[in-house]
Amino acid sequence: ETGVTQTPRHLVMGMTNKKSLKCEQHLGHNAMYWYKQSAKKPLELMFVYNFKEQTENNSVPSRFSPECPNSSHLFLHLHTLQPEDSALYLCASSQALLAGGLTDTQYFGPGTRLTVL
Amino acid sequence: AQTVTQSQPEMSVQEAETVTLSCTYDTSESDYYLFWYKQPPSRQMILVIRQEAYKQQNATENRFSVNFQKAAKSFSLKISDSQLGDAAMYFCAYRSATAGGTSYGKLTFGQGTILTVHP
Repeated sequence: ETGVTQTPRHLVMGMTNKKSLKCEQHLGHNAMYWYKQSAKKPLELMFVYNFKEQTENNSVPSRFSPECPNSSHLFLHLHTLQPEDSALYLCASSQALLAGGLTDTQYFGPGTRLTVL
Repeated sequence: AQTVTQSQPEMSVQEAETVTLSCTYDTSESDYYLFWYKQPPSRQMILVIRQEAYKQQNATENRFSVNFQKAAKSFSLKISDSQLGDAAMYFCAYRSATAGGTSYGKLTFGQGTILTVHP
């Protein structure tokens, strides 16, 4: 595997379900990000982790719970979601925050298409 | 807060011709980075080109080049010799370079421009 991978690629869940999205990066990076892409809206940053520490929570509802066990893996735990949470969830990674210059360029995974019924 | 605006929801171009996608941004910072990402139907967000604001020289990557006008806060993408594989949604994005700032590391995206390439 190379780059940034995400599983599953598609997920359908009911509002009472609990599911998790997984992201893995094979680039030796130390910063990882979750973005939400909804129809007709710009990508929205949700969470940022740098060296496994959460550095940003962009006012995301608590029904989204991130977890970063190590610099290569990032999870997004989902519970009691709403239909408006249906979107494409994109994971990205970069070398590290404050690494300086364009080494902070973010590289994206293919996304998980989430549908909440 | 920074904002990024892409005023062209859709653009089209004939294969082998040139097209320019527009992007403007608003910031009070002097040091930052600008990016163009491409998102084809597969939904994978792919980095196309990037520009450091302190560099006056416009970035180029093969058939892709930018026209960076810092004073005007404009960052347009020119695609030369367009190919069918260039068809995608293109996003302009901004990232602060001010270390320690609250927005450092955060990519702010525009709304996107859908590019159609006609054979």
